[in-house]
Amino acid sequence: GESVGLHLPTLSVQEGDNSIINCAYSNSASDYFIWYKQESGKGPQFIIDIRSNMDKRQGQRVTVLLNKTVKHLSLQIAATQPGDSAVYFCAENHGGSNYKLTFGKGTLLTVNP
Amino acid sequence: EAQVTQNPRYLITVTGKKLTVTCSQNMNHEYMSWYRQDPGLGLRQIYYSMNVEVTDKGDVPEGYKVSRKEKRNFPLILESPSPNQTSLYFCASRLQGPLGGYTFGSGTRLTVV
Repeated sequence: GESVGLHLPTLSVQEGDNSIINCAYSNSASDYFIWYKQESGKGPQFIIDIRSNMDKRQGQRVTVLLNKTVKHLSLQIAATQPGDSAVYFCAENHGGSNYKLTFGKGTLLTVNP
Repeated sequence: EAQVTQNPRYLITVTGKKLTVTCSQNMNHEYMSWYRQDPGLGLRQIYYSMNVEVTDKGDVPEGYKVSRKEKRNFPLILESPSPNQTSLYFCASRLQGPLGGYTFGSGTRLTVV
């Protein structure tokens, strides 16, 4: 889930397990959401997106679920691999003409071999 | 290769010495943005540009300037850097329109002493 204070939420999983990373977003007017992955020393990398008229979208080994009722987003990673170890951010687009994305503070995923 | 290129990757400077961080993208994206990333605070938008000669403030613009004279370049200027601008900076670009994520650069780690 979202971070509190200076500490990132962390999730530690075993290689091969499924991972679920959660995100609570703030604005009920947000109409577009994206998950990003950030590896150490690199910029954020696009993983998957979802529009507000959908509640589920699948990619390769990843699924994003959107629950607009409770303003909650989750990222599911199947058969987690060591290369999935990274910080994962959700981002929301509030709409409007500037297409601004607001980022959550991230969750650190550690995959143990 | 489609990419956003930032320079330098690392920079140590002294308080008050003007500096410029360059950003260039080769994807013909209209929209470009600068973010800073700080522990516990996540990614915060500094400035953005919706096209050539069109720039606007983000959430934390104080102490920064930008320019957009050409579509591919979006430099970030610190006229008089201060220690509270020590941070990790990311440039990002995207196509105009409501959908689509940013492509991020690899980051510039700035230390102001």
